[in-house]
Amino acid sequence: AQSVTQLDSQVPVFEEAPVELRCNYSSSVSVYLFWYVQYPNQGLQLLLKYLSGSTLVKGINGFEAEFNKSQTSFHLRKPSVHISDTAEYFCAVSALTGTASKLTFGTGTRLQVTL
Amino acid sequence: DAGVIQSPRHEVTEMGQEVTLRCKPISGHDYLFWYRQTMMRGLELLIYFNNNVPIDDSGMPEDRFSAKMPNASFSTLKIQPSEPRDSAVYFCASRYRNGEKLFFGSGTQLSVL
Repeated sequence: AQSVTQLDSQVPVFEEAPVELRCNYSSSVSVYLFWYVQYPNQGLQLLLKYLSGSTLVKGINGFEAEFNKSQTSFHLRKPSVHISDTAEYFCAVSALTGTASKLTFGTGTRLQVTL
Repeated sequence: DAGVIQSPRHEVTEMGQEVTLRCKPISGHDYLFWYRQTMMRGLELLIYFNNNVPIDDSGMPEDRFSAKMPNASFSTLKIQPSEPRDSAVYFCASRYRNGEKLFFGSGTQLSVL
């Protein structure tokens, strides 16, 4: 089974400042990793995903994440945030093979961007 | 494509009543997932289907919950009888295959009084 830990439940940041949202995962098999964003009163949308290849993954809205296998981490970063980035961010993991194709989500990190 | 369509958007019911949530996945998607989101427990996977067949229902909280997928374009999640602790946002999501992104519906906000 896979699990995801998002250590920060809330991250306040000023507009135009950099931000990092942390994600660690646990799995006995190789995994796919994802970051999703949820705006108020909406479903989740994919920001980016890591399947294989380059460990630095670029997503939409200027976000990027780096897969670190030795530290079992997949932290999300943005060099300069905007007010519109205020949302809930979820890290998720799924196994590569077998019937374990379900996606397991972390508990989410609320990013609050202020002026 | 209109995306994943869920209905109703909001549901308010009294304890003991039957509740049915509906989902139409994106055409061509092989997988359909039902998630429940609460402040206390975050996003929980309830059940998922592959090619209309339930694969893993280990997340279904108890026998009061049931889900069906009679065809590739429709799924239901039923709660009978409903209880106040079932109050949550229920999301349906679909995707083409493993590793591809999930497409979420807008959710059903369920309130059981």
